[in-house]
Amino acid sequence: DIQMTQSPTTLSASVGDTVTITCRASESISSWLAWFQQKPGRAPKLLIYQASTLQSGVPSRFSGRGSGTEFTLTITGLQPDDFATYYCQQYNDYSWKFGQGTKVDI
Amino acid sequence: QVQLVQSGPEVKKPGASVKVSCKASGYTFINYGINWVRQTPEQGLEWMGWISPYNGKTHYAQKFQDRFTMTTDASTSTAFMELRSLRSDDTAVYYCARGIWVGQARGGYLDFWGQGTLVTVSS
Repeated sequence: DIQMTQSPTTLSASVGDTVTITCRASESISSWLAWFQQKPGRAPKLLIYQASTLQSGVPSRFSGRGSGTEFTLTITGLQPDDFATYYCQQYNDYSWKFGQGTKVDI
Repeated sequence: QVQLVQSGPEVKKPGASVKVSCKASGYTFINYGINWVRQTPEQGLEWMGWISPYNGKTHYAQKFQDRFTMTTDASTSTAFMELRSLRSDDTAVYYCARGIWVGQARGGYLDFWGQGTLVTVSS
């Protein structure tokens, strides 16, 4: 059973900062990884799929990298709207698993 | 625009069953999968299963497969999930989400989500 581990759990930042969230898989998942943003009381929103492909309509300050077992989500120039919780999710071999989330707060 | 609209909140007693619906619009229903994901403060986001409205093929998370069933009705573009033998730790927000299958991955990613349905299990 694949495990997804995100770090850090919480990240404090300021508007304009560049922040990076890491997601590690317990075994190789190639590039089959998505990133989501969730705000309180709302459903998750897809930001990136296949590790680095930006979903339509998502600002270019979001970027994803990685393959195999280590992945990163970077937000370059944090905006007030970006304070939220971020989740990674793997999808391969008929298995889907989320990371535990990283909360980005002020 | 793509929309997934879920049924309203439910309160159930332990041992009962719950059925949640998810009505899709803005796209061709049978061309995309439907996933069910639940969220609790303790467990975070848990993927429960994927169903293809095109051929009814399903993939279930092992944790839920004994008491969880997904179905779809293409005539109304609606997906359903039923969870049986409810326990207090099934109290959660349940989401449906559209899935895009990626053959090479033997999986797919979730691009649009419903608004969520709160299911409360309490005696």
